[in-house]
Amino acid sequence: TQLLEQSPQFLSIQEGENLTVYCNSSSVFSSLQWYRQEPGEGPVLLVTVVTGGEVKKLKRLTFQFGDARKDSSLHITAAQPGDTGLYLCAGARNYGGSQGNLIFGKGTKLSVKP
Amino acid sequence: GAVVSQHPSWVICKSGTSVKIECRSLDFQATTMFWYRQFPKQSLMLMATSNEGSKATYEQGVEKDKFLINHASLTLSTLTVTSAHPEDSSFYICSARDRGQPNEKLFFGSGTQLSVL
Repeated sequence: TQLLEQSPQFLSIQEGENLTVYCNSSSVFSSLQWYRQEPGEGPVLLVTVVTGGEVKKLKRLTFQFGDARKDSSLHITAAQPGDTGLYLCAGARNYGGSQGNLIFGKGTKLSVKP
Repeated sequence: GAVVSQHPSWVICKSGTSVKIECRSLDFQATTMFWYRQFPKQSLMLMATSNEGSKATYEQGVEKDKFLINHASLTLSTLTVTSAHPEDSSFYICSARDRGQPNEKLFFGSGTQLSVL
């Protein structure tokens, strides 16, 4: 069974602080995605990382895929209250050309206080 | 970007009744759709994979007779919670795979909050 361990589960910080969320597994994933979810809504895709060692930036968000494609991190610089939400990592379970089903981490509930 | 429409957004029903949730891909064809269940402050749990024109594949522990899935067209999948009970109350989310997108992106519906009285 491929499990994704996501940490921390809860994070409460002040506006302007930096933070990092981690997603770890003992298994290799063909790709890994990060989502952000607001209460009462479906997840919204932020980024997909595919290549080991890949780094992608989305404004103040930096996503990294581990060299071995077993782990990933999300770093937010100078967090703002608008960053508040549930962040989910999800790994693709199958290999080859098809993305396959996704395995979700337990999520990180981020609260950024003004 | 691709849009997945999920209806209803919320539903309240009496115990013993059946509830149908629809998931539509509005501007792309989705041969595969996924149904998830999410409890408060928890992550998404995959319930089943819905394949157009064939039977759905259920995850271990999910009762196929309880959660009926129909994927009759390339743009519509439905989840029917049969004989609902209070323990079925949850947030249900669908997603659809857009094969026309690079890396076959997955797009999510806005979810359905089910409350069984």
